[in-house]
Formats: sequence, structure tokens, C-alpha cells
Amino acid sequence: EIVLTQSPGTLSLSPGERATLSCRASQSVRNFYLAWYQQRPGQAPRLLIYGATSRATGIPDRFSGSGSGTDFTLTISRLEPEDSAVYYCQHYDTSLLTFGGGTKVEIK
Amino acid sequence: QLQLQESGPGLVKPSETLSLTCTVSGGSISVSSYYWGWIRQPPGKGLEWIGSMYHIGNTYYNPSLKSRVTISVDTAKDQFSLELRSVTAADTAVYYCARHRLHTIRGDLDLWGQGTRVTVSS
Repeated sequence: EIVLTQSPGTLSLSPGERATLSCRASQSVRNFYLAWYQQRPGQAPRLLIYGATSRATGIPDRFSGSGSGTDFTLTISRLEPEDSAVYYCQHYDTSLLTFGGGTKVEIK
Repeated sequence: QLQLQESGPGLVKPSETLSLTCTVSGGSISVSSYYWGWIRQPPGKGLEWIGSMYHIGNTYYNPSLKSRVTISVDTAKDQFSLELRSVTAADTAVYYCARHRLHTIRGDLDLWGQGTRVTVSS
């Protein structure tokens, strides 16, 4: 089973700053199967990025995904107050979906 | 526009069976040819995939839960259901139903229900 480790646990930044979130896989994964989600407090997760780099429908272009192999990154280029949330990476492999532990982004 | 809504008891006793239903509105489970799944989130913790299914019966389960889980579908009602047997306090969580973006279990989930909170307690 592939384990996804996200870092940092918490990121505290000001509006307008850049956020860089990391997702590291325990072994090399296929980009096609790597996704990122945003979960605001009290809400269901929302798909942000699929295939490691493609934005889902309606997602602002300040969100971008990159990476390959075992290291993937979600970047929020200019933080806005509504970006306060927990962000999860997710992977599919051999009939199993797994999620990382999440990174909490706090807006100062 | 397609929407998902979970329903079921908010309280289940230990050792009993947790049963939840996800109703798909604005579309047909069988015609749309998507895979549909269940995910849960214990209080203050991360997301755990429970399992997913296709309307003609293909099902996939998380190995950690497989012995206790059944996911089934009622295409006439456009609903799919989750049964989790022999529950303990560790099964207390918000349970979400969701749709796989591609017409396969492979990959991500692009449509989610709002979630339903289930507490296991006597």
C-alpha cells in the first residue's frame, strides 16, 4: 500500500502570500492518479486538482499542482481569506484509494 | 445538476450495523455510468476511503474494512447504500458519498454529498 505523507502539518500565512504544500508518496506513483482536495470547516471536500496538474472545473487559477514520481506540490499563488482550509492529497493504486493526512492552511 | 445526499441514523449501538443511503438527484445512476463511493472522516481526523461500486455490481472495498462492509445499489431509486457491520466507537465519523470523476474507480472524486454524522454509542 502506498502511503502519502503531507507537510507541513499547519501553514500560517497572510493574505496575498504564496502557500506551498507537499505530498510525498512512499513509492513512485502515476501522475494520472494523484489529486488534491480542499476541505473548509464544516464542509465536504472539494476536488481542486486531478492528474497532478489539471485544475478541476471552477477552480481559480491561483491553485496549481506540480510534481512527479514521489514528490507532489500544491501551490496557492496568492492566498485569499476563503482559502483557509485543510488540503488533502489522494492517490489511486490497485483498487485502493488513499488520502494523505492533510495540511491545514491558516490565514493570519 | 447532479447532487448527492446521504441519509440514515445518526446514532448506532456498538456491535450493531450502520446503514446509510446516498440518493442521487438530477440524474440516473445506471444511465450515467459512473462509479460511486463512500468515504468517512472521524472527528478531527483525515479522510478514509471505504469502498466504491458500479451500478451493475462491481464493488471495491478498502482491505481494512472489507470483512465488515457491503455497498449495494438500487437503480430504480437512484440510490446506493453502505452497510458496516459490528460497529465500535472507532466507526464514529462523518460519512460522505461521492462520485468518481472518470467512468472508472481509478482516480479522483469530483462530486460529494454534504456528509452525515454517525455516532456509535450505547
